[in-house]
Amino acid sequence: QKEVEQDPGPLSVPEGAIVSLNCTYSNSAFQYFMWYRQYSRKGPELLMYTYSSGNKEDGRFTAQVDKSSKYISLFIRDSQPSDSATYLCAMSVPNNDYKLSFGAGTTVTVRA
Amino acid sequence: DTAVSQTPKYLVTQMGNDKSIKCEQNLGHDTMYWYKQDSKKFLKIMFSYNNKELIINETVPNRFSPKSPDKAHLNLHINSLELGDSAVYFCASSPGQVLYGYTFGSGTRLTVV
Repeated sequence: QKEVEQDPGPLSVPEGAIVSLNCTYSNSAFQYFMWYRQYSRKGPELLMYTYSSGNKEDGRFTAQVDKSSKYISLFIRDSQPSDSATYLCAMSVPNNDYKLSFGAGTTVTVRA
Repeated sequence: DTAVSQTPKYLVTQMGNDKSIKCEQNLGHDTMYWYKQDSKKFLKIMFSYNNKELIINETVPNRFSPKSPDKAHLNLHINSLELGDSAVYFCASSPGQVLYGYTFGSGTRLTVV
C-alpha cells in the first residue's frame, strides 16, 4: 500500500463547474501538505501548501486538511479550460523536511 | 531565465548504454533533488543533495549515481540502461524546508529501446 493514495481519474468537467480532488494517507506523521499542478510535458509547480487542519483559500482554489481522517482535498471553483492539468498532492513529515511523498496525480480536463 | 534547467529534454538510447542528465538551478537554493515519474504519473524521490552533501538516497539501483559538483548543479549518471529505466526524470530544488515547495525542471524524457 502506498503512503499516499490519489485517484488518477481522469476527471472531465464542463467549464464553470467545481472540481473536487482528494488524497488519503496512511502516515500520521505527515504535517505539511501541498498541491502541485502539472501541465502536459512540464514539471509540477506548487499551487498551495498548508500545515494545519482546516481550510486555506487562494483565489479560486481551496485546500482542506482533515488530519483526524488522514484526508486532504483541493477544490477549484469556476473551473476554466486553463485548469486542465494533472494535480498531485504531496506531503512531508517535520523532521524529514527534504522529502516529499507524492500521490499518483489526478488528470483533470475542463471542457469549454 | 529558466530557474531549474535540465539537459537533455529527450533521450532515446539502447539497452546497456551509459547516459548522463544534467541539472542546474539559478535560484540560490541549498537543496536539489532527482525524482522519477513513471508512465502512471507517479513521482518518486531518488536522491537529494543539500549543499553538495547527499542526504537522501532511496532504494535505487547502483547503476544510478548522482553527482553534485557545487550547490547549483546536480547531475545523474545511469550505467547499463535497462528497459525499465524508461521514464521522465525531474530535477528540483528547494530553499531548505519542503514546506516552501520545490521548483521543478521541465523533465528529461528517457526512452530505452
